[in-house]
Order: sequence, then structure tokens, then C-alpha cells
Amino acid sequence: DTGVSQDPRHKITKRGQNVTFRCDPISEHNRLYWYRQTLGQGPEFLTYFQNEAQLEKSRLLSDRFSAERPKGSFSTLEIQRTEQGDSAMYLCASSSGSGANVLTFGAGSRLTVL
Amino acid sequence: AQRVTQPEKLLSVFKGAPVELKCNYSYSGSPELFWYVQYSRQRLQLLLRHISRESIKGFTADLNKGETSFHLKKPFAQEEDSAMYYCAPSYSGAGSYQLTFGKGTKLSVIP
Repeated sequence: DTGVSQDPRHKITKRGQNVTFRCDPISEHNRLYWYRQTLGQGPEFLTYFQNEAQLEKSRLLSDRFSAERPKGSFSTLEIQRTEQGDSAMYLCASSSGSGANVLTFGAGSRLTVL
Repeated sequence: AQRVTQPEKLLSVFKGAPVELKCNYSYSGSPELFWYVQYSRQRLQLLLRHISRESIKGFTADLNKGETSFHLKKPFAQEEDSAMYYCAPSYSGAGSYQLTFGKGTKLSVIP
């Protein structure tokens, strides 16, 4: 375990389809975050888990977005009925309790909605 | 509302010249402040945090609460400093632990 892993790295889908991204955090980290980044912007916070509990959700996270972390380890982010505006890089990050804001990021999952 | 401003999208400097990447934040309370960096084809990573008061890769950042600024500085730029730099304040209150990232400044160091 050398870092945060994200899968898939790239996803191309048609408008209206559902997509799911997976994140495997650093095993000792109990906090997990999802961010979204579009061209020319910084990462925007989507949601945050502490262990299996989803403690915070951004207003950016519409009803079509859902995230889970069922056993407090890996997490999934699902987007239903994708729209072209969902095209972005989806970043996952994790942190430990002692360094809550010291985030270790994954490489990201790039979504293209045609 | 929590806001962070990085006024320069792109900053070009010559190798050996001083660098200052600006960051202003708008927060109530006492945020914790960070600079994150993304080198070409690499992951976003922490560069430094204000509470550690460290110099990382020759960079320092001073928190100025009066001006609500957290500018990143380096006296002599190197080519390997070319990257995207993001200022990220965090207000950890009421159970919130989210970082708010600025739009970033692309630093280009000219050989």
C-alpha cells in the first residue's frame, strides 16, 4: 500500500448513463474525501467520510451523486444519469485523524460525458 | 461564505529570480492554511502548512491575519519549481474538515 488508488483512471460515457468510481485510501487513514476538478479550477469539495460515516456533503453533490464507504475502507462515488456538465476529474484523498487536513491525493478518475 | 483568491493564473519568472505566489482568504474564525502543489504528470500533494512554519524546497509562507493573506515565497526560483500551486484554507469548525482550494497559479520558471 503505497498511496491512494483510484479506478478507473479514465471513463468515457454517453449522457444518461451511470458511472461508478472507486477509491482505495491509505489503509491507516480513517478520513476519505472526494473532490471534483474542472479545467482551470481548483479542486472542489464534494463529500467527506470519517470511517464509514458520511459526515459532510457539498451543495455541489446533487441527487444524482451518491458516495459510500461501507466498511470504512474503500469508497465508491456513483453518478446517475450523467450530464455533459459532469465531465471532470474526480479526485479522492485520504488523511489520518492526527493530520486531518494533510491530504494524500490519488491520481484521479477522469470522466468524459459525450 | 468561505473564499480564497489567487489573483494570478500564470506567473512566469526567470531562474534565480524571487517568486511570490499570492493568496488571500476570507474566513471567519481562525483557519488553518496550506499550500498544495501539482507538478506535471504528478498527483496533487502538500507543499507546506502554516502551523509547521517550515521551509519546504526553499518555499516559505507567512500567515498575515490582518491582511488575511498567506503568500508563498521563494528567494531564488529553480526550473523544477514549475508547477500548479493551490492555496487551501481550512476552517475546522462544527465538525467540518473540508479544504477550500483556490483556482491555482501556474508557475513557470524560465531557464
